[in-house]
Amino acid sequence: EAQVTQNPRYLITVTGKKLTVTCSQNMNHEYMSWYRQDPGLGLRQIYYSMNVEVTDKGDVPEGYKVSRKEKRNFPLILESPSPNQTSLYFCASSSTGTRNNEQFFGPGTRLTVL
Amino acid sequence: GENVEQHPSTLSVQEGDSAVIKCTYSDSASNYFPWYKQELGKRPQLIIDIRSNVGEKKDQRIAVTLNKTAKHFSLHITETQPEDSAVYFCAAMRSSGSARQLTFGSGTQLTVLP
Repeated sequence: EAQVTQNPRYLITVTGKKLTVTCSQNMNHEYMSWYRQDPGLGLRQIYYSMNVEVTDKGDVPEGYKVSRKEKRNFPLILESPSPNQTSLYFCASSSTGTRNNEQFFGPGTRLTVL
Repeated sequence: GENVEQHPSTLSVQEGDSAVIKCTYSDSASNYFPWYKQELGKRPQLIIDIRSNVGEKKDQRIAVTLNKTAKHFSLHITETQPEDSAVYFCAAMRSSGSARQLTFGSGTQLTVLP
């Protein structure tokens, strides 16, 4: 089954404790991206990657890191989480072909930083 | 960067009526405009998209129109049904070289009253 998976689905942590949210896709997509969703603000892009070893900042990259060592994985790293990073996070992937840009979203990770 | 504004933030319609959601964008280089539907507790899913070389696209009860000159695009849902109740997001994508940044609107909560 073609899918994007994220882990963990729920996470409660404390300020300053480093964490990683994993994202994996099995559709051989070149493009992967991370978004955060907050009430009234929609989805805001954090980072995206056009291919292995190629990453770029989205609209809200501060406080986050990403890496793309393999095509299927795109982890999101919070080196020192703060309460303002409490949010719902979505990973997404798509092909980079000109005809199909549909983004497939993962199930989401709800993060609470105390 | 790109700025996408979406209106209204909430919309209630009677079953069978039409619903229209409008978005404006700021970056004339944006060339791909998807619409996503997000049901409560679920991930966003693509329902329709349009490219900048097309003015209108229709898929059964859903249609999207694009006015490049005015930089606005709209989602039209006809003969609404209770299962259309969800949050709808518009988005604009700018593809240039190796960059592909997707900016979302803030969302519209559509409620279809039976």
